[in-house]
Amino acid sequence: KAGVTQTPRYLIKTRGQQVTLSCSPISGHRSVSWYQQTPGQGLQFLFEYFSETQRNKGNFPGRFSGRQFSNSRSEMNVSTLELGDSALYLCASSLELAGVDEQFFGPGTRLTVL
Amino acid sequence: GESVGLHLPTLSVQEGDNSIINCAYSNSASDYFIWYKQESGKGPQFIIDIRSNMDKRQGQRVTVLLNKTVKHLSLQIAATQPGDSAVYFCAENTPTSGTYKYIFGTGTRLKVLA
Repeated sequence: KAGVTQTPRYLIKTRGQQVTLSCSPISGHRSVSWYQQTPGQGLQFLFEYFSETQRNKGNFPGRFSGRQFSNSRSEMNVSTLELGDSALYLCASSLELAGVDEQFFGPGTRLTVL
Repeated sequence: GESVGLHLPTLSVQEGDNSIINCAYSNSASDYFIWYKQESGKGPQFIIDIRSNMDKRQGQRVTVLLNKTVKHLSLQIAATQPGDSAVYFCAENTPTSGTYKYIFGTGTRLKVLA
């Protein structure tokens, strides 16, 4: 069974631009969560989607948004990029993200904002 | 954001010795826990999980112990190998707003000395 895939793996953007990252979950998984990982802040939860609906959201500004499609694939978008948005963006999938659901991560997208 | 990623403690272990990595979790209502291994430049990799109705679970060379009384998790790696060098995170699956969310520990860097 294929794992979680994320595209692109690396991105370089400049301040003010916007970016869209893509995540394909493990087949059959309906929950997709997004995280931002930086050296100083560790793993921070962005949002979680289940059946095309955002179920949970972390404490990030409105510039960060996401969506999920009917095939469970998910995208996240960051508008008006800032230098501080440089990070590894990780996507994780689980069956339903219920109480005892395993969560598996993709390799991440490394975003650099210049 | 919702993370406690600040300073990253480091554990240095001689090759062949056993390693013990500790983690304190935050919510006594959390009922499922995962240990992840993250190598440089890669996404976190699922190692082992444990449910709250257990206090010990063993895998291949790894054992997770759960102490709900003091909200503490530990990961024991037997006969540590150079390939075990990585950052290790614990994650708790915690109920929130009618659904669940994973909260990650700070992470511990494991260095295996030859």
